[in-house]
Amino acid sequence: GAVVSQHPSWVICKSGTSVKIECRSLDFQATTMFWYRQFPKQSLMLMATSNEGSKATYEQGVEKDKFLINHASLTLSTLTVTSAHPEDSSFYICSARDWRGDQPQHFGDGTRLSIL
Amino acid sequence: LAKTTQPISMDSYEGQEVNITCSHNNIATNDYITWYQQFPSQGPRFIIQGYKTKVTNEVASLFIPADRKSSTLSLPRVSLSDTAVYYCLVGGPAGGTSYGKLTFGQGTILTVHP
Repeated sequence: GAVVSQHPSWVICKSGTSVKIECRSLDFQATTMFWYRQFPKQSLMLMATSNEGSKATYEQGVEKDKFLINHASLTLSTLTVTSAHPEDSSFYICSARDWRGDQPQHFGDGTRLSIL
Repeated sequence: LAKTTQPISMDSYEGQEVNITCSHNNIATNDYITWYQQFPSQGPRFIIQGYKTKVTNEVASLFIPADRKSSTLSLPRVSLSDTAVYYCLVGGPAGGTSYGKLTFGQGTILTVHP
């Protein structure tokens, strides 16, 4: 079945560091990928929609300069958390959808980000 | 985006059939209904997707009435490993006005007891 790979699975870094998270679709092409954030015991919250070859679309309240998204190919989207602070610590999850529109989204296994 | 409402939690026992109902009164004509399962510290895993009537795969069935304002996920003979959070989502395919965006509700915490 469709597989979405997310890397790294866990990262711990100092406050002020920028962290890049990769999301890859392994066996299909994804014109659209999505980035979510999930806090403990809460649901997933959509942060932004990443479109191949164009600018990402951010949800209300999400700082685009803080969370940089690049979708340079049909199989890779990256999320960079710039100048991360402890309040950015969370579980970040990406999803990708096959370019054939009737296919469901498939999710990566998430990245646990801990900012000290 | 259509909002969904599910029970916050459900309890069951091994070997029983579990039915989780989701209401989505404002579903749009182009929207599909998709169910995901999530374990702690993992990304959601696709279970089943449907548009109308009944869909069945190797792990679950999805029942959708004619008005599509609700749907029921049916898990046959659950086991302890089915303890997880189950999300019902409504969203459109590519080309639809929602461009495939999915909005997660709170989900249903299913606990399966021995």
